Amino acid sequence: AQSVTQPDIHITVSEGASLELRCNYSYGATPYLFWYVQSPGQGLQLLLKYFSGDTLVQGIKGFEAEFKRSQSSFNLRKPSVHWSDAAEYFCAVGGADGLTFGKGTHLIIQP
Amino acid sequence: DAGVIQSPRHEVTEMGQEVTLRCKPISGHDYLFWYRQTMMRGLELLIYFNNNVPIDDSGMPEDRFSAKMPNASFSTLKIQPSEPRDSAVYFCASSFWGSSGNTIYFGEGSWLTVV
Repeated sequence: AQSVTQPDIHITVSEGASLELRCNYSYGATPYLFWYVQSPGQGLQLLLKYFSGDTLVQGIKGFEAEFKRSQSSFNLRKPSVHWSDAAEYFCAVGGADGLTFGKGTHLIIQP
Repeated sequence: DAGVIQSPRHEVTEMGQEVTLRCKPISGHDYLFWYRQTMMRGLELLIYFNNNVPIDDSGMPEDRFSAKMPNASFSTLKIQPSEPRDSAVYFCASSFWGSSGNTIYFGEGSWLTVV
């Protein structure tokens, strides 16, 4: 069975500092991996996705993620966070039969 | 292009009442998913359709829940009778499976409160 682990429930980062959100997955085949962001009261917005090829993928809003097969990880990074990045971040794995989501990481930005 | 459209956005209903949530997927997408989000359980896949046919409903919690997709542009999720523990955000999502895999796009959600 596929699963996603986001080990950090909450992360607090100062505005302008760098960010890394961790994601580990379990999947029987080559995974399709995704990061979504959810602001309060909103739906899920796709930040980026990995299907194949270059293991470093670029997304919207200055985010990037790196697929590391040996570590079963797909960590999300941003070099300098902005107050507007405060939100819930979800990592997901899956294919045509839908996605399995992690529990999410709540990102808090300190001024 | 319009995204996934869900209605109602918010609903408050009394226990025992029937609730119907509606979804219009993105035009051209051949997969439709219903997810439920709660604080305790996170995001759970309830059911998904491919070309209007239900493929996997193993995530549907009980017989009180049912979903239909009568055509490519419309789907419903029905709860009858509703219970307070059904209070959650219900997301509809759609995708197209192509040569580069798929990307699932989510609606804004239907926020259900059962009192």
